[in-house]
Amino acid sequence: KNEVEQSPQNLTAQEGEFITINCSYSVGISALHWLQQHPGGGIVSLFMLSSGKKKHGRLIATINIQEKHSSLHITASHPRDSAVYICAVKMSSRLTFGEGTQLTVNP
Amino acid sequence: EPEVTQTPSHQVTQMGQEVILRCVPISNHLYFYWYRQILGQKVEFLVSFYNNEISEKSEIFDDQFSVERPDGSNFTLKIRSTKLEDSAMYFCASSVPGSGSYSNQPQHFGDGTRLSIL
Repeated sequence: KNEVEQSPQNLTAQEGEFITINCSYSVGISALHWLQQHPGGGIVSLFMLSSGKKKHGRLIATINIQEKHSSLHITASHPRDSAVYICAVKMSSRLTFGEGTQLTVNP
Repeated sequence: EPEVTQTPSHQVTQMGQEVILRCVPISNHLYFYWYRQILGQKVEFLVSFYNNEISEKSEIFDDQFSVERPDGSNFTLKIRSTKLEDSAMYFCASSVPGSGSYSNQPQHFGDGTRLSIL
């Protein structure tokens, strides 16, 4: 079993829809990252959180430490949000990554 | 905004050859990392580096791999004798100081070097 599980694996939405991507993990962590990977391969860090909720523009990330679960929400989705969204948990110095969620937002 | 830069963007090498991947971390960052992503798979941790020594390494990071900070700005990953299965995207990352030997600050990633072994 993977230490980090994401769902769904693939998600297709219409422009304007509210998007939720989920991440569950099975180990003790110090923090959780949400990352975005574009088709060219580059990785951008969106959030790092260890408790509660963070918001940046149309992106919201929440984490429930007791339930070992985090969600990434995108409000008013746009085609430029199309990318792979990756959950990664921090244990000691290393990040352990999920498989990623491929998001496609159609106009 | 400061960036982590990696060179080259694409490296093609014959199997058995040595390859050096280069990274320039963000200037005030003190923690450095290498990750790799085989095509179609998830990103995997290779090694973390702090205070001129390896903090942690994964099972993947065997004797064929080494890291070095040869000067005040570069951080390199060397693969001594490349194998076909080393073909992957290699990402460098860095983070600002935290407390102790691990940084609990966000990691900033470079755009990656695509390594193709023929």
